[in-house]
Amino acid sequence: EDQVTQSPEALRLQEGESSSLNCSYTVSGLRGLFWYRQDPGKGPEFLFTLYSAGEEKEKERLKATLTKKESFLHITAPKPEDSATYLCAVQAYGNNRLAFGKGNQVVVIP
Amino acid sequence: KAGVTQTPRYLIKTRGQQVTLSCSPISGHRSVSWYQQTPGQGLQFLFEYFSETQRNKGNFPGRFSGRQFSNSRSEMNVSTLELGDSALYLCASSPQGRQGASEQFFGPGTRLTVL
Repeated sequence: EDQVTQSPEALRLQEGESSSLNCSYTVSGLRGLFWYRQDPGKGPEFLFTLYSAGEEKEKERLKATLTKKESFLHITAPKPEDSATYLCAVQAYGNNRLAFGKGNQVVVIP
Repeated sequence: KAGVTQTPRYLIKTRGQQVTLSCSPISGHRSVSWYQQTPGQGLQFLFEYFSETQRNKGNFPGRFSGRQFSNSRSEMNVSTLELGDSALYLCASSPQGRQGASEQFFGPGTRLTVL
């Protein structure tokens, strides 16, 4: 069974204080690893897809990286509007379902 | 392009009742997946429909069912509601049909409260 573990569960950052979120996974043949952002009361918003170890993608202050066992979401110089829960999910070959971690809840304090 | 829409946004039901939730995918997307989100379990996969056929099913009891119509719109039904069914129900659509990993785009969800 595909498993995703995210750490830390919760993180409080001062504005401008860079940090990284971890997503460890086990999957029977990785088709893709996805990062989403979710604000309270809303559906997850797609951020990145990573396909193979060594791949990196960036969007504004966010950078996602992938190894064979884990992915990191780096938040550089965060702003209060980056406060959200960040969700990691994996998709295995053979089906379209996403297996999600429990999320990293990030609060950025001005 | 309009995003994924879900109706209703909020529902309050009592135990034993049944409920139907609706999802309209992004235009051109043929795959619709449903997920249940709770504080304790996080996001869990319910089922996926593609071209009106259920293609995958998660580990949920038979009280949870769904269907997809020819225009790709989807509905899910929960019968004999239990307190533990209170959750945010999310619908996601993707253009999946290609070989590669396919991003899923989520709607705002339906918040179901069972009393």
